[in-house]
Amino acid sequence: GNSVTQMEGPVTLSEEAFLTINCTYTATGYPSLFWYVQYPGEGLQLLLKATKADDKGSNKGFEATYRKETTSFHLEKGSVQVSDSAVYFCALSLHGSSNTGKLIFGQGTTLQVKP
Amino acid sequence: NAGVTQTPKFQVLKTGQSMTLQCAQDMNHEYMSWYRQDPGMGLRLIHYSVGAGITDQGEVPNGYNVSRSTTEDFPLRLLSAAPSQTSVYFCASTSGRLDADTQYFGPGTRLTVL
Repeated sequence: GNSVTQMEGPVTLSEEAFLTINCTYTATGYPSLFWYVQYPGEGLQLLLKATKADDKGSNKGFEATYRKETTSFHLEKGSVQVSDSAVYFCALSLHGSSNTGKLIFGQGTTLQVKP
Repeated sequence: NAGVTQTPKFQVLKTGQSMTLQCAQDMNHEYMSWYRQDPGMGLRLIHYSVGAGITDQGEVPNGYNVSRSTTEDFPLRLLSAAPSQTSVYFCASTSGRLDADTQYFGPGTRLTVL
């Protein structure tokens, strides 16, 4: 079946450290891939996305590259800030009209950044 | 635009009670979805709708009903609440157009069933 697997958290980093959150997927066909972020007490916001192989999504210093050969979409940031503390979700959606509006999520990874 | 709004923000129910979680969007999106978020399990799709009058089941539909009488509103009904339905519920919408498959989420409803 279709699924998303993320590295388990929580991840605790010091400010300005390098961040990697691993995400791998299993899907029929070639999905679109997303990273969503959830700040404490809030809903999910789209952080970045990629719709085809080798695409790189980027936003707010975060980036992720769609790797078809390794079925991965790892999230990276060169220098994290305290304000990046949140829960990060990797997700996929399958193409086709019957799949529109449906996202398959990973478990979520909690990031805590300490000053 | 208010985006996606949900009410209430918090709710406590007793086992067997019924209630409706409200969701509305003002972006004229055709597609709307309900997810539940549980620790260690990410978000799972409960029900979704591809337009007014059309709904379908997601991954975990049991115990929940939905209807879509207008483009704007997509309420989720719990007919007889159970402790297993204690969760945080998120409503989302998307236009579904090509290259516009981003889903917009509401702030969530935290439900506790005693």
